Amino acid sequence: EVQLVESGGGLVQPGGSLRLSCAASGFTFSSYWMSWVRQAPGKGLEWVANIKQDGSEKYYVDSVKGRFTISRDNAKNSLYLQMNSLRAEDTAVYYCARGGWLRVPYNWFDPWGQGTLVTVSS
Amino acid sequence: EIVLTQSPGTLSLSPGERATLSCRASQSVSSSYLAWYQQKPGQAPRLLIYGASSRATGIPDRFSGSGSGTDFTLTISRLEPEDFAVYYCQQYGSSLSAFGQGTKVEIK
Repeated sequence: EVQLVESGGGLVQPGGSLRLSCAASGFTFSSYWMSWVRQAPGKGLEWVANIKQDGSEKYYVDSVKGRFTISRDNAKNSLYLQMNSLRAEDTAVYYCARGGWLRVPYNWFDPWGQGTLVTVSS
Repeated sequence: EIVLTQSPGTLSLSPGERATLSCRASQSVSSSYLAWYQQKPGQAPRLLIYGASSRATGIPDRFSGSGSGTDFTLTISRLEPEDFAVYYCQQYGSSLSAFGQGTKVEIK
């Protein structure tokens, strides 16, 4: 069974940092693009970042560029999101999602993890 | 950057009725790289449709997708009680993906 399990969420002060992790199982992790998608409380979905199978390509939504870094460790079947200079508007549930198996960044997302809540507040 | 606009914001229907959800893009979506997701309260989104019209594994055939270019539609032929949820479209035809704001399908 394909499974994605996020961890690392919590309460952090504005300007602080947090590192999210996503543990993958049930598929060949190194063969797929991976993504982070977030959802602010009561709001819609927002794509955050993508990373290619070998980590050589990364893409970000404009609002997190320069503050967030997506990375992966294929040996550990793990995806990460390093979040720095956090703002109140970054408060959301962060989902890890599997992308496609091709070498191009055109991905639908399936499946998704259960999400981890990040709250940025003083 | 492609912006997706979904309509209506809320659809009030009864079980057994047909639901038609719209997703309009601000510019043409490459190769019909358009997906649809269902999200129920407290749950992660679930993929329904990819490539504008291909059903994901395990999705009932009452769900269908159509469209191309800038106009896409998700149709639920006969609403079942478990179909009342929020639905999102997503374009993935560029390196920067984007979602629509969602359509809530509620019980009338």
